[in-house]
Amino acid sequence: GAVVSQHPSWVICKSGTSVKIECRSLDFQATTMFWYRQFPKQSLMLMATSNEGSKATYEQGVEKDKFLINHASLTLSTLTVTSAHPEDSSFYICSARGGANYNEQFFGPGTRLTVL
Amino acid sequence: AQSVTQPDIHITVSEGASLELRCNYSYGATPYLFWYVQSPGQGLQLLLKYFSGDTLVQGIKGFEAEFKRSQSSFNLRKPSVHWSDAAEYFCAVVPISGGGGNKLTFGTGTQLKVEL
Repeated sequence: GAVVSQHPSWVICKSGTSVKIECRSLDFQATTMFWYRQFPKQSLMLMATSNEGSKATYEQGVEKDKFLINHASLTLSTLTVTSAHPEDSSFYICSARGGANYNEQFFGPGTRLTVL
Repeated sequence: AQSVTQPDIHITVSEGASLELRCNYSYGATPYLFWYVQSPGQGLQLLLKYFSGDTLVQGIKGFEAEFKRSQSSFNLRKPSVHWSDAAEYFCAVVPISGGGGNKLTFGTGTQLKVEL
């Protein structure tokens, strides 16, 4: 149980376009989802926390107009990178938390974004 | 300041040798403690966790970790390393109290290389 999926697993886009990444909890209801960014050979940096039905809370230094997060249902959160630029290229990982496992996060497999 | 530290950036061990990865935390109260493993280009897999109780925690893939309150440590161990254990290992914590929103904070990671 506690499986989290992400789609797509990788995406290449042109500079200036927008990219949407989906994060789904497959077998539990995720009251909270988290979005992380990971640069090569670095740790995960939390970008934002989203609770179902409410606005996401962004970490300091993360542009909320650049990284749009929607958590419209208990099983789906989306991250949209708007007007992507090469510096947005990174590995984006989501995690989900919910139910009895309130203190544990379950991670998706990640999405590799490359902006040309 | 609250932090989680993994002192070793890289560790190389021979296959079959024992392994210990260090993790230290600095929090007012003992946080929830986790160890994750990440293979290249993949998401995170939970190896084990400590919330309370027995200070020696057994995890998957033959890993264990010991919580030592006096040393503020949660070191990961494996008696005999396999070549497939080569990966990045992250220690992470969730504060038990405070306004942190139960967010995971990751250490900087330890890259494990296994020599055949």
